[in-house]
Amino acid sequence: GNSVTQMEGPVTLSEEAFLTINCTYTATGYPSLFWYVQYPGEGLQLLLKATKADDKGSNKGFEATYRKETTSFHLEKGSVQVSDSAVYFCALRGGGSNYKLTFGKGTLLTVNP
Amino acid sequence: GAVVSQHPSRVICKSGTSVKIECRSLDFQATTMFWYRQFPKKSLMLMATSNEGSKATYEQGVEKDKFLINHASLTLSTLTVTSAHPEDSSFYICSAETSAYEQYFGPGTRLTVT
Repeated sequence: GNSVTQMEGPVTLSEEAFLTINCTYTATGYPSLFWYVQYPGEGLQLLLKATKADDKGSNKGFEATYRKETTSFHLEKGSVQVSDSAVYFCALRGGGSNYKLTFGKGTLLTVNP
Repeated sequence: GAVVSQHPSRVICKSGTSVKIECRSLDFQATTMFWYRQFPKKSLMLMATSNEGSKATYEQGVEKDKFLINHASLTLSTLTVTSAHPEDSSFYICSAETSAYEQYFGPGTRLTVT
């Protein structure tokens, strides 16, 4: 079956530091890959996505590249802000009729001023 | 675009009563909606897939008679927790899927059963 493994954290950084949150996946076929962000007490927001190999998703300074050869979709940001503090979830959606999202366990990011 | 709302955002109920949570897609039609449960500091657990006009598909281990799902229209799905008990206390999140197979999530409902 499909699975997503992401670094567990928590991750604590100072403002303007570089961020990487690793995510690898196992899936059959050609999945779509997503990063979601959850701020305290809120639901999940779609941060970025990639639907095929070598696609790069980007949004709000965050980027992730769909690497089929390494089955990875690592999230990066060059300079984090305090407002980026949240839980980040990597997820995949299987191809075809396999419509369910499979989530990683989430990584808590705390950015200190 | 792609906004999903949930109501209520917080609810406290007494043990043995039932609680209904609404999930609405505000600016798009969603043939498929999903209901998740999230425990503290944990990932989301898919409870069921709600399809407009048909019965919901429940994940293994989820009691369909306890968690009633109705997908009455292309913009509304409801989750009713029947005969709630303290162990049902949790954060319930819905999502709605667009025609491009992207899931957009509601803000969640915090249920506390006393």
